Amino acid sequence: DGGITQSPKYLFRKEGQNVTLSCEQNLNHDAMYWYRQDPGQGLRLIYYSQIVNDFQKGDIAEGYSVSREKKESFPLTVTSAQKNPTAFYLCASKAMTSASNQPQHFGDGTRLSIL
Amino acid sequence: QKEVEQNSGPLSVPEGAIASLNCTYSDRVSQSFFWYRQYSGKSPELIMSIYSNGDKEDGRFTAQLNKASQYVSLLIRDSQPSDSATYLCAVNSGTGRRALTFGSGTRLQVQP
Repeated sequence: DGGITQSPKYLFRKEGQNVTLSCEQNLNHDAMYWYRQDPGQGLRLIYYSQIVNDFQKGDIAEGYSVSREKKESFPLTVTSAQKNPTAFYLCASKAMTSASNQPQHFGDGTRLSIL
Repeated sequence: QKEVEQNSGPLSVPEGAIASLNCTYSDRVSQSFFWYRQYSGKSPELIMSIYSNGDKEDGRFTAQLNKASQYVSLLIRDSQPSDSATYLCAVNSGTGRRALTFGSGTRLQVQP
């Protein structure tokens, strides 16, 4: 089945530790996104990538890093510089066309907590 | 001013009633508008998209767009308890970033 796979589903981070969240898609989508959602809040954009080997900062990129070495994969690293990492992290992808009207589709999310 | 605004709710409606969810956006050049449903603890799922002024119907759902008023709404007819969720409005601003901007969501409760 085509889809977006995020792993792990739950992740715990110790103070001073970097952790990496995985996002893989087999939809042949060019664009991939990372969002953060805090309780009772909407989604805030962390990073996005429209093509392999290129990515752009979103609204809350500080304390996070990404890579896009393969079209299918867009891992997110939460670094120790992110002082408040506890949140629900969502990866999304979409097909890129000349129009802007393609919707984004989401993985099941990773819930990150501080130990 | 937030770029995409929604009333956080909860919006409570009885089973079988029409639920009306509203969203306003600030960027006049916005081109694409989406409604996502998010159950508690789950990821958002797309339920409607709309790109031009007017109404778009899909089953029990109708999306309405008024670009002059910068307003988009979602109507849910014959509301069911299973419709109880948070509904997120998302807008593609068309400024070239090509990432959606989300509202904070409206929580809908359908009372049996």
